[in-house]
Amino acid sequence: NAGVTQTPKFQVLKTGQSMTLQCAQDMNHEYMSWYRQDPGMGLRLIHYSVGAGITDQGEVPNGYNVSRSTTEDFPLRLLSAAPSQTSVYFCASTSQGAGTEAFFGQGTRLTVV
Amino acid sequence: SQQGEEDPQALSIQEGENATMNCSYKTSINNLQWYRQNSGRGLVHLILIRSNEREKHSGRLRVTLDTSKKSSSLLITASRAADTASYFCATPLTGANSKLTFGKGITLSVRP
Repeated sequence: NAGVTQTPKFQVLKTGQSMTLQCAQDMNHEYMSWYRQDPGMGLRLIHYSVGAGITDQGEVPNGYNVSRSTTEDFPLRLLSAAPSQTSVYFCASTSQGAGTEAFFGQGTRLTVV
Repeated sequence: SQQGEEDPQALSIQEGENATMNCSYKTSINNLQWYRQNSGRGLVHLILIRSNEREKHSGRLRVTLDTSKKSSSLLITASRAADTASYFCATPLTGANSKLTFGKGITLSVRP
């Protein structure tokens, strides 16, 4: 069972570069989210989606874009990477929003130099 | 903003002992969840307790919820070295059923 798949696992970017973090789930979940995890900060919500074509901002959306063209995929785009975006990024999906368990990907460790 | 806050921040116990972790939250909720994260991995769901439940069990896990005190506790009985991980409580953001927010986590170390 694949569940939630994130790629890449590791990435190093130079300041100002752009990139897309990929997230795909095969559970037909409507709800998908992106979090970043920083030491001492726990997980903070970046963007989320309640279904294809619908996205909204979370707690820390600045510097990130998302789109949801299909139920399966929810890519996260960094428009112009900054050192402050160095973090571990997690994608999650649920079948019924915050009312059911969330399934997480293995994470993408991003370093911006 | 983060709704849940775990306590203590770190816990170190001997194998075989029980581990108790607490979570407090700010506003009313319809459920509270606990997750585990092993080093370098994603989060894994442990247990969900709804607001009309006071206690729930799953294997060696026991979760309680006190909505009057806005708090929950996670008890791991007869801990094992493999329980070494970070533990997070998570709650829905009030008025936004699609948003799940997490606390900063508790680092549990179980010494063999």
